[in-house]
Amino acid sequence: AQKVTQAQTEISVVEKEDVTLDCVYETRDTTYYLFWYKQPPSGELVFLIRRNSFDEQNEISGRYSWNFQKSTSSFNFTITASQVVDSAVYFCALSEVYSGAGSYQLTFGKGTKLSVIP
Amino acid sequence: DTAVSQTPKYLVTQMGNDKSIKCEQNLGHDTMYWYKQDSKKFLKIMFSYNNKELIINETVPNRFSPKSPDKAHLNLHINSLELGDSAVYFCASSQLLSGGIRDTQYFGPGTRLTVL
Repeated sequence: AQKVTQAQTEISVVEKEDVTLDCVYETRDTTYYLFWYKQPPSGELVFLIRRNSFDEQNEISGRYSWNFQKSTSSFNFTITASQVVDSAVYFCALSEVYSGAGSYQLTFGKGTKLSVIP
Repeated sequence: DTAVSQTPKYLVTQMGNDKSIKCEQNLGHDTMYWYKQDSKKFLKIMFSYNNKELIINETVPNRFSPKSPDKAHLNLHINSLELGDSAVYFCASSQLLSGGIRDTQYFGPGTRLTVL
């Protein structure tokens, strides 16, 4: 069975601080995808990143960076110099890679609510 | 321009009524999904359809019936609505790539269902 744990329920930071959102996962699959989605107050789910399990290179996109460590089953997300617009609920998710027409689905963590205070 | 769209965005109804939520994707994807997000923001898969065929049916009451008239549409019909059905329902779609690899799921804007 797959499981994703986001231990931080809520985080508050002051604007311009850096913040890291933790994600720990469990899976029996040898290949899998990890994702981060953002849900702003407006409610939609915005795809941020997908990582394949055999690619442990960290990724940076502007103020966002992701640290994937297979040894600790973690896929953490850091926002540098946070801004008020970063306030949202962030979800980490896990899925298999190969499915054919099989039961491909996303297993989500419970989300971390980030509040960036001006 | 909208990739995955859902209608309506808000749905308020009385207990016992029957209602439908529609989902359409213009991405050419072969698989569509319904997820339920509860009041604590927890997201859980409900159904998955691949080329109009039901693939996943997670322990969802049979009052919920998905219908896929074609690859681009997956509607969710709910009979005899109950208070506990109040939630946000998200539609999503993805594509099967070569080699059996699944591509990323993209989500619709969600439908907030309130049962009074």
